[in-house]
Amino acid sequence: GAGVSQTPSNKVTEKGKYVELRCDPISGHTALYWYRQSLGQGPEFLIYFQGTGAADDSGLPNDRFFAVRPEGSVSTLKIQRTERGDSAVYLCASSPPAGELFFGEGSRLTVL
Amino acid sequence: GNSVTQMEGPVTLSEEAFLTINCTYTATGYPSLFWYVQYPGEGLQLLLKATKADDKGSNKGFEATYRKETTSFHLEKGSVQVSDSAVYFCALSFTQGGSEKLVFGKGTKLTVNP
Repeated sequence: GAGVSQTPSNKVTEKGKYVELRCDPISGHTALYWYRQSLGQGPEFLIYFQGTGAADDSGLPNDRFFAVRPEGSVSTLKIQRTERGDSAVYLCASSPPAGELFFGEGSRLTVL
Repeated sequence: GNSVTQMEGPVTLSEEAFLTINCTYTATGYPSLFWYVQYPGEGLQLLLKATKADDKGSNKGFEATYRKETTSFHLEKGSVQVSDSAVYFCALSFTQGGSEKLVFGKGTKLTVNP
């Protein structure tokens, strides 16, 4: 597709379970970002990739959160031992070098 | 630190009314400023931006001017349409640790009635 694709669009899980959220960026975009948007809030930065490496993971809230981008394209955000407070919309964005960020529609995570 | 404060919603207007959504920021250095829009069922989209003081960003009839003296970037449109109904986010960008980060406001939901 032409835009940033995120799957699943909705995920409901139980407290303590493991979750993976996938982001397929726009082809050729070297930069990839994950943001988290809680209810009633604006998106908050989690992690930034330039190519395959995590250039900045300072926004990850704790060590239950991890993200990879092994081939410099698709990225997976992984959340271990989910908690109710992890419920949010997880947004992915990609950009060309020094270019505009293009956001996906997000993955809505609900932890029961 | 870097932060953005924007007018709380929701905002409800009639078609052809004038729109203002206030946004002020706190930043170290000289950030770029943005307005993003999120239409129902869609992802965030860049609406307009300004990269330095006194710059005016404009798109689709919306405008915002980067005011350094008042640290503001208010969004305006002279005549709103039903299709403008969406959530609007003010944001700034800054560079830290080699990455450019966006800091967003909480968003303002706009509903335009026919």
